[in-house]
Amino acid sequence: TQLLEQSPQFLSIQEGENLTVYCNSSSVFSSLQWYRQEPGEGPVLLVTVVTGGEVKKLKRLTFQFGDARKDSSLHITAAQPGDTGLYLCAGRLDKLSFGAGTTVTVRA
Amino acid sequence: DAGITQSPRHKVTETGTPVTLRCHQTENHRYMYWYRQDPGHGLRLIHYSYGVKDTDKGEVSDGYSVSRSKTEDFLLTLESATSSQTSVYFCAISEWRGNTDTQYFGPGTRLTVL
Repeated sequence: TQLLEQSPQFLSIQEGENLTVYCNSSSVFSSLQWYRQEPGEGPVLLVTVVTGGEVKKLKRLTFQFGDARKDSSLHITAAQPGDTGLYLCAGRLDKLSFGAGTTVTVRA
Repeated sequence: DAGITQSPRHKVTETGTPVTLRCHQTENHRYMYWYRQDPGHGLRLIHYSYGVKDTDKGEVSDGYSVSRSKTEDFLLTLESATSSQTSVYFCAISEWRGNTDTQYFGPGTRLTVL
């Protein structure tokens, strides 16, 4: 059983559409991170959120940490083919635990 | 990229043979990690190190051992490889700022056990 459940597992959308990826848990985390991974490479950190209710924006990406620090979401506005990749959330208890990931494909 | 390299990048081996994967870093980071990545499971921690000769188990450590005799090198050994250990293995280091850390990952090693 995964400590962090990500949904959906796969997402395929047309360029210009919006998308949201969810990361849920029953555990309370001291911080939560989102990573993006491209084929054949290691994950790369996008953002760290630490405060319940926190919202961070990174260009067209918006990250939200739930008020209770148990869940998070990643929203991409006007997706582009360059956003294609595997998106992983990771929550910190004593160690970092990763979700199974959401594979996002943005079609041109 | 935090100066992390992994070797080999690809390996095919047979069941029952020993395998050692190497992770090398150039920036003197204290914490190093070994993960495996499998479809549907994300990244799972195998072992980690918090200094030379200081290591501890992660959530999927059975069948794996590690060694860290120098700050820059963290070795992962499969004493007797099994088909269930076919996976992509990632090494990572931690960079701490305040009470949060960023993990930087190596490029990965794809291991196939026949």
